[in-house]
Amino acid sequence: QSVLTQPPSVSAAPGQKVTISCSGSSSNIGNNHVSWYQQIPGTAPKLLIYDNSKRLSGIPDRFSGSKSGTSATLGITGLQTGDEADYYCGTWDSSLSAGVFGGGTKLTVL
Amino acid sequence: EVQLVESGGGSVQPGGSLRLSCTASGFTVGSYWVNWVRQAPGTGLVWVSRINGDGSSTGYADSVRGRFTISRDNAKNTVYLLMNSLGAEDTAVYYCARDFYYFGLDVWGQGTTVTVSS
Repeated sequence: QSVLTQPPSVSAAPGQKVTISCSGSSSNIGNNHVSWYQQIPGTAPKLLIYDNSKRLSGIPDRFSGSKSGTSATLGITGLQTGDEADYYCGTWDSSLSAGVFGGGTKLTVL
Repeated sequence: EVQLVESGGGSVQPGGSLRLSCTASGFTVGSYWVNWVRQAPGTGLVWVSRINGDGSSTGYADSVRGRFTISRDNAKNTVYLLMNSLGAEDTAVYYCARDFYYFGLDVWGQGTTVTVSS
């Protein structure tokens, strides 16, 4: 059971938009910075978004992040087949004094 | 090129030990927090441990505290994870990752596989 809650899967057609939610609490998302990662199976995770909404250099602006209260959202527009991957949110949990990740969301581009 | 390279994984019997290494190139590892994150087969990412730039501050997940020890040798640009009393639940790919901004992990190694089995 992950501390951060993500939907197990989302899907959309090429060219469409999808959002992935990440729900937490005041001890993690509510008072810390959220990051988002893309992981293609068999490879290491790749940082997309840090500090809730900042894109890492080189990440297309099709990817966006936002945070409100104890929840965060990753948005991907103009979906491409190459976006098919697992996506994870992550942050620090001040009560646990530990890093925490969501359980991951598998994106399928139909 | 900025990169991290893990090594030291392998197969070990329950109760055994392993020491993982994470060697940086292209940047000074002593300027960053470094984390270990693991991923068991078919499952998600799980944070394991972290250490600050000079090694004076460390943190551990409850599941490994007392069994794993993180350390660093900045002269060798390397971070280590000593894992003792290993159990089947520790079987995973172990990644090290650089924290460049409040748990924004921007550089990851390729991972090293640890298998605990009799």
